[in-house]
Amino acid sequence: EIVLTQSPGTLSLSPGERATLSCRTSQSVSTSYLAWYQQKSGQAPRLLMYGTSNRAAGIPDRFSGSGSGTDFTLTISRLEPEDFAVYYCQRYGSSLTFGGGTKVEIK
Amino acid sequence: EVQLVESGGGLVQPGGSLRLSCAASGFTFSTHEMNWIRQAPGKGLEWVSYTTSSSSTRYYADSVKGRFTISRDNAKNTLYLQMDSLRVEDTAVYYCARGGNTGYPLNAFDLWGQGTTVTVS
Repeated sequence: EIVLTQSPGTLSLSPGERATLSCRTSQSVSTSYLAWYQQKSGQAPRLLMYGTSNRAAGIPDRFSGSGSGTDFTLTISRLEPEDFAVYYCQRYGSSLTFGGGTKVEIK
Repeated sequence: EVQLVESGGGLVQPGGSLRLSCAASGFTFSTHEMNWIRQAPGKGLEWVSYTTSSSSTRYYADSVKGRFTISRDNAKNTLYLQMDSLRVEDTAVYYCARGGNTGYPLNAFDLWGQGTTVTVS
């Protein structure tokens, strides 16, 4: 069973700063099957990225995804106030598994 | 408007049953795989169950296998989750989510409902 480990657990940053979130998988994952979700407080999650680096509809280009094998990264180039939230990575395609999440909080 | 709306949550005693519904609108429900995902209070996301568009294939998380049943009525544009033998640890917000329509199975979830709360106590 694949395990997705996200780090750090919490990221404390200021608006305008760059955020780098990590997702490590216990087995190699095809870049076609790695997604990221954003969940704001009290809201349902929404799809941010799929296929590692493809932005979902309506997602601004300050969000980018990269990685391969067992190491994947979500980068937010310049944090806007609305970006402070919890982010989850997910492996799909042959199983459906979420990472534990990274909270991006205002410093 | 493209949306998913869950209902059916509530308070139930351990060992009890509950059926959740997820009403879809604004898209062709019958062509999309669907999922249930839950989130315990203060915790992360846990995928619960999956069904293909035709219900020909269904998967369950080990934590609910044998107790929960996913089903759908494409004529009614509705997804269901029958939850039996409920346990305290099933307490969570339950979301339904649409799988992307790529022609391949087990897609990322590109549309989510707002969730319905199940409390087992």
